[in-house]
Amino acid sequence: EVQLVQSGAEMKKPGESLTISCKGSGYTFTTYWISWVRQMPGKGLEWMGKIDPRESYTNYSPSFQGHVTITADKSIRTAHLQWSSLKASDTAMYYCATSYSDHGALEYWGQGTLVSVSS
Amino acid sequence: DIEMIQSPDSLPVSLGERATINCKSSQTVLNSSNNKNYLGWYQQKPGQPPKLLIYWASIRESGVPDRFSGSGSGTDFTLTISSLQAEDVAVYYCEQYYSPPWTFGQGTKVEIK
Repeated sequence: EVQLVQSGAEMKKPGESLTISCKGSGYTFTTYWISWVRQMPGKGLEWMGKIDPRESYTNYSPSFQGHVTITADKSIRTAHLQWSSLKASDTAMYYCATSYSDHGALEYWGQGTLVSVSS
Repeated sequence: DIEMIQSPDSLPVSLGERATINCKSSQTVLNSSNNKNYLGWYQQKPGQPPKLLIYWASIRESGVPDRFSGSGSGTDFTLTISSLQAEDVAVYYCEQYYSPPWTFGQGTKVEIK
């Protein structure tokens, strides 16, 4: 069974750094790209970017380029989403997701990681 | 970026009635080399991650009830729930995965009238 399990909720202050994770199991981790999706409170879905876990190639939405970093460690089957300096506006639920099919739509999703940033 | 616009934003429907959600993209999401539209539909219930319902605009994901159907090509797409059930109350999103950055519609909230 394909599963993506994300790290737990985080409470941080503005300016702090943060890394959240997404661990894949039940499939060949390096085969398909992993995407990250943001959902701000009460709002819709925003695609942030994706990573090829085999070669660590990345593709970012211009809206998020430069503010977050997506990495992957294939040895531990885990993708990461990193911030070097959080803002209050980063408060949101973050999902990782992947497609385990050639169609490319996001068919498997993590449970989400809630990030709260407040002074 | 390809912009995705859904209509309506909110859709009250009586149980057993049809629900129709529209999605329009600012550019085509049809890949002419394989004649496939790179358009997906997702359902999100409160407190849950999104769930893929439809890919390639019209192909139901495994396990999705056949009352859900997708249609359209190019820039105009539709998700239809043929007979609304109580468990279908959710927000529905379209997404294009044809050209990065992938983009979602703003969502359509389906509720019981």
